[in-house]
Amino acid sequence: DGGITQSPKYLFRKEGQNVTLSCEQNLNHDAMYWYRQDPGQGLRLIYYSQIVNDFQKGDIAEGYSVSREKKESFPLTVTSAQKNPTAFYLCASSDGATHRDTQYFGPGTRLTVL
Amino acid sequence: AQTVTQSQPEMSVQEAETVTLSCTYDTSENNYYLFWYKQPPSRQMILVIRQEAYKQQNATENRFSVNFQKAAKSFSLKISDSQLGDTAMYFCAFMPGDDKIIFGKGTRLHILP
Repeated sequence: DGGITQSPKYLFRKEGQNVTLSCEQNLNHDAMYWYRQDPGQGLRLIYYSQIVNDFQKGDIAEGYSVSREKKESFPLTVTSAQKNPTAFYLCASSDGATHRDTQYFGPGTRLTVL
Repeated sequence: AQTVTQSQPEMSVQEAETVTLSCTYDTSENNYYLFWYKQPPSRQMILVIRQEAYKQQNATENRFSVNFQKAAKSFSLKISDSQLGDTAMYFCAFMPGDDKIIFGKGTRLHILP
């Protein structure tokens, strides 16, 4: 089946630790995105990548880092510099290198800082 | 700044009824795209419907249709014959030209048996 997978579903982190969230897609999509979702708010863009080996900061990139070494993978690292990382994280991808293409989402990862 | 506003934080309707979710946006762009996404309790975001601003005809997907009023910058979602499985958060989203997508804060919809 074609789709987007995210792992793990739930992740717990101690303060001061870096953690990496996985996002993989087998849709052959060029563009991939990371969003953060907090209660009562819409999705906010963290980082996006329109092509392999290139990525751009979104609206709330501070304390996060990404890489795009392969077309199908776009991992997100939440660093200790992120002051309030507890949230639901969604990965998305779209066909084509422009933003106008419809984005399709993975099932999400719930990150909790202990 | 370009914004998306969903004025109804929460709504409840009886099963089989029709419900309309409101969405307004603010932009000076002429070419853009609009979306409604559904997020059920599983939290998987699912595309419901998409509308291109240059198309005057309202988009329709089975029981879901939109009322796109470009001059009023309004993009409401109508769900006909609502079903229990329609219970979810619904997000309106706006994509100006070739720029990044902007999401509203969502409307929580409850379908009551």
